[in-house]
Amino acid sequence: DTEVTQTPKHLVMGMTNKKSLKCEQHMGHRAMYWYKQKAKKPPELMFVYSYEKLSINESVPSRFSPECPNSSLLNLHLHALQPEDSALYLCASSQDQDRDNYGYTFGSGTRLTVV
Amino acid sequence: SQKIEQNSEALNIQEGKTATLTCNYTNYSPAYLQWYRQDPGRGPVFLLLIRENEKEKRKERLKVTFDTTLKQSLFHITASQPADSATYLCALVLYSSASKIIFGSGTRLSIRP
Repeated sequence: DTEVTQTPKHLVMGMTNKKSLKCEQHMGHRAMYWYKQKAKKPPELMFVYSYEKLSINESVPSRFSPECPNSSLLNLHLHALQPEDSALYLCASSQDQDRDNYGYTFGSGTRLTVV
Repeated sequence: SQKIEQNSEALNIQEGKTATLTCNYTNYSPAYLQWYRQDPGRGPVFLLLIRENEKEKRKERLKVTFDTTLKQSLFHITASQPADSATYLCALVLYSSASKIIFGSGTRLSIRP
């Protein structure tokens, strides 16, 4: 299995809702990432997990809460989002955070719309 | 200030020609540089990586060069095909943190038949 699987593919939520995005990989990668991408912009890093521990938080608002239950799963919990949080949320994985980098494997993303 | 710039937002070329995309960076010291392809509504797909001590890397019809003096990478697609039409992103992997990559703004490449 050489894929990163993200669910759901599309999500519409109200500003008072709580929802979660899920990401799964079975490549044995030990680093996992959340990126946010707005239209016609490059992906922007949000969080990095290395060996199931949070290693980087790019000053992301607390309404986004990451969780890494095990080495194959990564969740992003959403609460009280704003319309400007609407974007494509991408999950990625790589072999190891600090070893020689062989490129990231990205999922297809979750298209989030906040209404 | 730190910047990663890709030469043009959009590039339109004839099928069969070589497409050349440029990535320039300022005030970064990358350990290596990556190129990704992204199709609309999909995640980026890793294409090639080149290290700072490498001048050139090839993979099938793709070629990447890296000049740390000019702070520039060139990405070439030879014998281009309409199926190569996509957005291409360069990304720097920084010495300060191998876990953190910074993406350029991307170039949208269109290959016309």
